[in-house]
Amino acid sequence: EIVMTQSPATLSVSPGERATLSCRASQSVSNNLAWYQQKPGQAPRLLINGASTRATGIPARFSGSGSGTEFTLTISSLQSEDFAVYYCQQYNNWPPGTFGQGTKVEIK
Amino acid sequence: EVQLVESGGGLVQSGGSLRLSCAASGFTFSSYSMNWVRQAPGKGLEWVSYISSSSSTIYYADSVKGRFTIFRDNGKNSLFLQMNSLRAEDTAVYYCARDRDFDNWGQGTLVTVSS
Repeated sequence: EIVMTQSPATLSVSPGERATLSCRASQSVSNNLAWYQQKPGQAPRLLINGASTRATGIPARFSGSGSGTEFTLTISSLQSEDFAVYYCQQYNNWPPGTFGQGTKVEIK
Repeated sequence: EVQLVESGGGLVQSGGSLRLSCAASGFTFSSYSMNWVRQAPGKGLEWVSYISSSSSTIYYADSVKGRFTIFRDNGKNSLFLQMNSLRAEDTAVYYCARDRDFDNWGQGTLVTVSS
């Protein structure tokens, strides 16, 4: 089973600043990597798939990069609605579609 | 608009059973694979089960294999999860999610297993 490791566990950022979240796979997942956002009491929402393709309706301030084992989600200028938990997930080696443990982006 | 609505959660004793449902609308349900994903209170996401569009391929997480059964009714645009021999560690919000990249999620239904 592929293990997905996210860092940091918590990221404290001021509104308007840039946030960079990392996700590492224990073996190559090619570009079969997705990012999700989850706010308290809500279901997760797909942000990025294919490592770098924004899902429908996702603002351009969200961008994904990487391939193989190293991936990054960047939020270029944090808005108040972006404070949430972010998960990466690989869907290259299926099953299972393993998730990372999440990165909480909080207000600094 | 894609909509997924789960139901069937509740409080059940350890060893009991529950059947979850997911009603789909706004897309051609029979053309998409589906998943169940769960989230224990305060924890991260755990994939539970997958079913292909035609039900020909089914997968389970090791943690539920032999106890849970996923199935679907394409004529009724519905996905199901039959959960037997429930344990305290199955306590979670259960989400249905579309396709291998989980591009749409329901709002979830809470399953609480009391020991």
